[in-house]
Amino acid sequence: SQQGEEDPQALSIQEGENATMNCSYKTSINNLQWYRQNSGRGLVHLILIRSNEREKHSGRLRVTLDTSKKSSSLLITASRAADTASYFCATEPNTGNQFYFGTGTSLTVIP
Amino acid sequence: EADIYQTPRYLVIGTGKKITLECSQTMGHDKMYWYQQDPGMELHLIHYSYGVNSTEKGDLSSESTVSRIRTEHFPLTLESARPSHTSQYLCASSELPGTIYFGEGSWLTVV
Repeated sequence: SQQGEEDPQALSIQEGENATMNCSYKTSINNLQWYRQNSGRGLVHLILIRSNEREKHSGRLRVTLDTSKKSSSLLITASRAADTASYFCATEPNTGNQFYFGTGTSLTVIP
Repeated sequence: EADIYQTPRYLVIGTGKKITLECSQTMGHDKMYWYQQDPGMELHLIHYSYGVNSTEKGDLSSESTVSRIRTEHFPLTLESARPSHTSQYLCASSELPGTIYFGEGSWLTVV
């Protein structure tokens, strides 16, 4: 399978703490994206990082990309209960045909 | 805000029934996708399309079929539903390279 893997599978933290989740993938990519999914809903795009970028910020989100290790991390700082959701990485291979999603990390932020 | 719509959101049907899940997008995207996702699990690509009259099977074998007669419309059909088809079905569209936009999902329960 060309789908990536994320770890941890599940993460539970206290409100105010930082949450870090990791994504590993298998093919050369054009970009990598992170998505959020609330229970029972569709996925919502959070941030995109291109293959020639190493780090990107958006509000409380920080994404890193290491193409030599084929891995990415998503850091959510100062977490809130509303951040509770599943987070997926998605890669766009440089063949450009489709997206491949990771297995997801389920984040629970305890108030 | 993504302009991609799925209907119905929730459907409970009997075994053997034919059902069609509708998906429409108003963004003019050529590429559209159907993913299947069981609760708390990863997304599996079951169908995709590069444009009108183009349909391809995804990584996960599915007994469903799709059609793409118009750019904005990508319906998914199950000719004879079975309990094993119970799942969430997510429709998405994109321009590559770029962001993939998801609908809210259709929850199908076959009894």
